[in-house]
Amino acid sequence: DQQVKQNSPSLSVQEGRISILNCDYTNSMFDYFLWYKKYPAEGPTFLISISSIKDKNEDGRFTVFLNKSAKHLSLHIVPSQPGDSAVYFCAASGDNYGQNFVFGPGTRLSVLP
Amino acid sequence: EADIYQTPRYLVIGTGKKITLECSQTMGHDKMYWYQQDPGMELHLIHYSYGVNSTEKGDLSSESTVSRIRTEHFPLTLESARPSHTSQYLCASSDPGAHEQYFGPGTRLTVT
Repeated sequence: DQQVKQNSPSLSVQEGRISILNCDYTNSMFDYFLWYKKYPAEGPTFLISISSIKDKNEDGRFTVFLNKSAKHLSLHIVPSQPGDSAVYFCAASGDNYGQNFVFGPGTRLSVLP
Repeated sequence: EADIYQTPRYLVIGTGKKITLECSQTMGHDKMYWYQQDPGMELHLIHYSYGVNSTEKGDLSSESTVSRIRTEHFPLTLESARPSHTSQYLCASSDPGAHEQYFGPGTRLTVT
């Protein structure tokens, strides 16, 4: 049973508009969340993180929102650029996992020029 | 800049062969990981290590084994490859105090 879900396998957005990638989790013990970006033939690279004590974290064009009651987080990219086209993975961790992470299946974002 | 290397990048091998996937990092990270990922699916943790002489099994059962004799080196071995082992294998490392993991480029393994 998937503990971290990304229900949209793909998303297409026009350049300059907002991209919103969603992630849901089932385990209430998760207390730290990360987003990774992956280009073809490369390993994932860390993008942004959020702890459960916060509900928002911002880094440049990237903002992650956390709704603990809904067990939902989202990644906003504003404005979207063609170079943002990649697969985005959500990952969650908690003390009960020894600080290891559980990954979602990813969402493929295509930013159209 | 994170430096974590994996070799080979691509490997096609016949059933029954023994293979070792190499992973090295130059960041001095104590914790290292191996993940398996099928196309369009999540990364599954198959092995991890807290440091030299430490190895642990991850969430996904795997027929592979790992060793950690040196901090920078975390090889993964399949004693007898099978078609079901066809997948991408990703190595990662992290500092004990940090959540962020640095990933290598991966090894895409095909067993015929």
